[in-house]
Amino acid sequence: QKEVEQNSGPLSVPEGAIASLNCTYSDRGSQSFFWYRQYSGKSPELIMSIYSNGDKEDGRFTAQLNKASQYVSLLIRDSQPSDSATYLCAVSNGYGQNFVFGPGTRLSVLP
Amino acid sequence: SQTIHQWPATLVQPVGSPLSLECTVEGTSNPNLYWYRQAAGRGLQLLFYSVGIGQISSEVPQNLSASRPQDRQFILSSKKLLLSDSGFYLCAWSQTSGGDEQFFGPGTRLTVL
Repeated sequence: QKEVEQNSGPLSVPEGAIASLNCTYSDRGSQSFFWYRQYSGKSPELIMSIYSNGDKEDGRFTAQLNKASQYVSLLIRDSQPSDSATYLCAVSNGYGQNFVFGPGTRLSVLP
Repeated sequence: SQTIHQWPATLVQPVGSPLSLECTVEGTSNPNLYWYRQAAGRGLQLLFYSVGIGQISSEVPQNLSASRPQDRQFILSSKKLLLSDSGFYLCAWSQTSGGDEQFFGPGTRLTVL
């Protein structure tokens, strides 16, 4: 059974701080890694994709991937109250039907 | 640009009633299409996926079914709803080649009473 694990949170950080969200996965054949943001009552929105080991930066977001440790993380710099949401980690082996989501981490950014 | 639509946005149905949820995608051809369910406080569960017209694969045996009558249309159905069918139903699409990112529609919130 392929699994993706995340701390459920809530993770609380003050406004302006760095939020660090973590995700581990069990399938060593995984090739694609994604972070989605889901506001309460809304559908998930793709915010980052990462395919190679290392860091990928997009604005205030940095995704980090370590395939040897089966670990992927998302850093949010200068956190804003509008970043308060549930962040879903998703892992794929390249085939859509094998897209596995983690349970999500709820982030709360305190003004 | 691509757009994905779902309707209805919300639905309240009695136990035992039928269900039909619709999803359409604009701005792309031959997408892979997916139906997910998210129960309250739970993760996303893949229900069905489709790689083409009339091609449906089921991930979870249950009283739901899916159909793809047209290239960019995906329908989720049930003949008799159960209480456990309540949840947030999400349709998603991805390209058939290249990156495998999935993009979600706005969802349908179903309450079965």
